[in-house]
Order: sequence, then structure tokens, then C-alpha cells
Amino acid sequence: DAGITQSPRHKVTETGTPVTLRCHQTENHRYMYWYRQDPGHGLRLIHYSYGVKDTDKGEVSDGYSVSRSKTEDFLLTLESATSSQTSVYFCAISESRAGATNEKLFFGSGTQLSVL
Amino acid sequence: AQRVTQPEKLLSVFKGAPVELKCNYSYSGSPELFWYVQYSRQRLQLLLRHISRESIKGFTADLNKGETSFHLKKPFAQEEDSAMYYCALLYGNNRLAFGKGNQVVVIP
Repeated sequence: DAGITQSPRHKVTETGTPVTLRCHQTENHRYMYWYRQDPGHGLRLIHYSYGVKDTDKGEVSDGYSVSRSKTEDFLLTLESATSSQTSVYFCAISESRAGATNEKLFFGSGTQLSVL
Repeated sequence: AQRVTQPEKLLSVFKGAPVELKCNYSYSGSPELFWYVQYSRQRLQLLLRHISRESIKGFTADLNKGETSFHLKKPFAQEEDSAMYYCALLYGNNRLAFGKGNQVVVIP
């Protein structure tokens, strides 16, 4: 498996509290992504990064922010968690173009977040 | 806007029977498509991509631009094929859009 670590693996929090999820990679890959996985919705892109301090929104970015101050870390923050943000969050990395012949996304193990 | 559609949520097949997972896409650019798989207690991983025209674990998928489809097929299902399968489309600045996924259960 590619060197991707997500922390925490599980978290339970209350509505209105801030939450930060961390994705750490040891592959020195340029691209990093945050997805959420929900039954009936599949995987949806929240935010992604194409370099240090270079980030952009995905399709479900409302209520989330990200930061990437160094290549290896990509943080996802829920400023004020809501119950609709209860989900499994996956981080992914890619060295270059995900569609290139020898390129692909590598996924982390996921973080189960429950907002009560 | 780009869209990936996987119509069935759950597909149950008997071992040895053929399996086909449907994937249709909508995209204004030149499509690049993939199938990702998530086995129980494992990470999501790439199964195959259309550009490689390869067969992985007996699975194949052909891009049909006329029908905007990228269906995944395997002639004889095995128990180890039980998993969650996602079709994905590359778009924009190196982003992947995923379908809602298909849960495949292979019955012994």
C-alpha cells in the first residue's frame, strides 16, 4: 500500500464543534484529495490540492475547508460540524495526472466521523 | 457538468455466472474512465482503466463513446469478486468523479 495515513480513524463529536481530519503521505505525491463516502451517493469530492498552498473546491465543499502547508499533509476542517457531515472520509493521493497510463489514485483507510 | 451513473445498487450473482456492472457517463470533453474496487476491510483501489485496454482478475471494460458507456464485465464470477465497485471519470484539473457504486455479492 502507498504510504497514506489518515487520523483519527474514528471520531464522535457534537454538533457545532470544530473537527480537523489529517491526511499524511510519505510518497511525495503532488495531488491530494478529500472525498466523503455515503450510502446512495458513492464517493464525492470535497476539496483537492495540486501543490503546497494550492487547493480548490470539489462538488460538496460547503461547510469544509482545507489546508496544505507542506507536501505530506492535507488537513480537512469542519468549522462547525453538523449531523449531515456524518460520513466516512477518504483521503487520496496521485503523483501526476490520475488518467495517465501509469498513474492512479491511492486511497487511505478512511475516517469514520459521527456528528451527534 | 460531468456525471457518472451506475443504475443498480446491489447485484447478486451465483458463482460461475456472468456479471455485468453498468456505467454511463456524461462529459463534454474527451472521456477517461476507470473502475475502482473496495473489498471488505481493504482500501479502495484501481481495478482497471479504459486507456490500458487490459483485463484484470478476469474483468474487462470497453469504452463506448456512442453509448457513453463503460460497462464492467466478467464471464464467470468468483466468490472473491464480492466487493463494492465504483465507476469513475477524470475531469478538470486531475479530478475524479465517481458513480454511486455497485455492491456485488457472489453466492457460492
